[in-house]
Amino acid sequence: ETGVTQSPTHLIKTRGQQVTLRCSSQSGHNTVSWYQQALGQGPQFIFQYYREEENGRGNFPPRFSGLQFPNYSSELNVNALELDDSALYLCASSLEWGSTEAFFGQGTRLTVV
Amino acid sequence: SQQGEEDPQALSIQEGENATMNCSYKTSINNLQWYRQNSGRGLVHLILIRSNEREKHSGRLRVTLDTSKKSSSLLITASRAADTASYFCATDGSQGNLIFGKGTKLSVKP
Repeated sequence: ETGVTQSPTHLIKTRGQQVTLRCSSQSGHNTVSWYQQALGQGPQFIFQYYREEENGRGNFPPRFSGLQFPNYSSELNVNALELDDSALYLCASSLEWGSTEAFFGQGTRLTVV
Repeated sequence: SQQGEEDPQALSIQEGENATMNCSYKTSINNLQWYRQNSGRGLVHLILIRSNEREKHSGRLRVTLDTSKKSSSLLITASRAADTASYFCATDGSQGNLIFGKGTKLSVKP
């Protein structure tokens, strides 16, 4: 157990809908990153939040957005869902920005039909 | 895009045997990490090796790093059925993120 919790664990949505995924960081960690992992692939970096500000973003369109709250919990929002958005979404928290070790949650499995 | 590429993509061995996985990357790094993932769940950090280190041990794990060849290897000695998982190498990205390879799927048969 890493202390990083994600909800929900599984989710089924219809194409075009919007979804919000949630992550509770490990205590004391002020940096959270989100990754998308398609089946059979490695995780791909979506974005990172440090002290409630987005400070890094991967190659994902603007319909992927996020928030980090004062207690350092975080949300990932995806608008206008597409079939290719079906994946495991992983949240990882780190003690500080640039910390070498990331602690991952168990992920949310999103299926878009 | 993915920085690291693990090799082989899949590996099947008997319990008690050693398992070796390799990772190659493209650009210079500060450090390289290995993670394990059980059945599509969260990733667990195994070991980190810095660019000025050549070898590191942690329990049954041994990691080597060759920066001249831009490659790393993970050796699991005396493997157990519980080691069955996917293993990923990850390098440090420019935005404080991790860049993962596609992973090696290890199956340890009892």
